[in-house]
Amino acid sequence: SQKIEQNSEALNIQEGKTATLTCNYTNYSPAYLQWYRQDPGRGPVFLLLIRENEKEKRKERLKVTFDTTLKQSLFHITASQPADSATYLCALLLMDSSYKLIFGSGTRLLVRP
Amino acid sequence: ETGVTQTPRHLVMGMTNKKSLKCEQHLGHNAMYWYKQSAKKPLELMFVYSLEERVENNSVPSRFSPECPNSSHLFLHLHTLQPEDSALYLCASKRIGASSTDTQYFGPGTRLTVL
Repeated sequence: SQKIEQNSEALNIQEGKTATLTCNYTNYSPAYLQWYRQDPGRGPVFLLLIRENEKEKRKERLKVTFDTTLKQSLFHITASQPADSATYLCALLLMDSSYKLIFGSGTRLLVRP
Repeated sequence: ETGVTQTPRHLVMGMTNKKSLKCEQHLGHNAMYWYKQSAKKPLELMFVYSLEERVENNSVPSRFSPECPNSSHLFLHLHTLQPEDSALYLCASKRIGASSTDTQYFGPGTRLTVL
């Protein structure tokens, strides 16, 4: 069966450390993988997109890797801040449709001051 | 603000009521989406409209009825809902075509409670 898995347990880290979130998928062949941030009571906000032929993408303190062999993406936030506390969602854009995003259930990140 | 607005932000309704959710995008996009987000579950795609034509209906019960009168507006009409339909309903929009960025922009959602 097709699945996207993100760690359902909250990730609790100290301010200044690097947060690493994982997204694993099975039985999909995504063209792109995206990461979104969602705050309570709000819609997801797009952060980064990485294509299947890219290994790594960076944006300020954010870094995303994409390993299509392992079927895994890692999302890193360096020098984390309490304001980074939120739920982070990964989403796959499938090769068989240019419209459909398939989302994981998200991982909640808590950054302690 | 993302350029996508949703009203109302909160809605409580009985199982026999009829209500509508509204979404409006100010981004010049030509595709719009309805998602359902329940606690601890992934976002579930419900409907997709591309160029005002419905291109996806993800096995959604008929008690949910979408309407897209133009590329800027999307409605979700609700009738005879069940308590398990209580969730956050999110609207999103996107530009599709040669210059597409593949990014969807989400509204803030409507928190629906069915009693």
